[in-house]
Amino acid sequence: DGGITQSPKYLFRKEGQNVTLSCEQNLNHDAMYWYRQDPGQGLRLIYYSQIVNDFQKGDIAEGYSVSREKKESFPLTVTSAQKNPTAFYLCASSPQYGGNEQFFGPGTRLTVL
Amino acid sequence: SQQGEEDPQALSIQEGENATMNCSYKTSINNLQWYRQNSGRGLVHLILIRSNEREKHSGRLRVTLDTSKKSSSLLITASRAADTASYFCATARTGQNFVFGPGTRLSVLP
Repeated sequence: DGGITQSPKYLFRKEGQNVTLSCEQNLNHDAMYWYRQDPGQGLRLIYYSQIVNDFQKGDIAEGYSVSREKKESFPLTVTSAQKNPTAFYLCASSPQYGGNEQFFGPGTRLTVL
Repeated sequence: SQQGEEDPQALSIQEGENATMNCSYKTSINNLQWYRQNSGRGLVHLILIRSNEREKHSGRLRVTLDTSKKSSSLLITASRAADTASYFCATARTGQNFVFGPGTRLSVLP
């Protein structure tokens, strides 16, 4: 999982609570990404950041928020507005934004009780 | 949408056999990448093929790209039980985000 860490590995949340998923990379990459994966499906892009202090909505940003105050960190907050948050969340980074290889973290499995 | 779509959805083979999975997409691309995901883990990059390339090799992996048919194939030769995983293709265009397909689940039986 090469230089990207995500924590926690498993997270349980009660309905109505906000939770924050951590993503840290020591690869000195400019770009970082958050994806959501549902069982048996591919990855869908939630948010991405091309460079520190910048971020953009992906395809399914509603109910999520992010920040990119440091180059190495890109935390994702799942808010109570997200209707169906139970999923596997993957963080990735790449040297620059665009069609280069992405490096993935090990993922966080979020379950809403 | 430029979404990649892998085929088949699931594939079971015996150890030692070759495994072939395909990816189709809808719009022009700059490159196509294949990733592997073991159950409950992150994705690992396998190989990238650019739009002006037709074939690439990496160890037991062989990837082809046919831009006229908007399709790619991933061949794993002499498969091993450790190759059991999901395999995803991702298409990329300049300045745009990756689009991942739903994946092929490969089971290699010992």
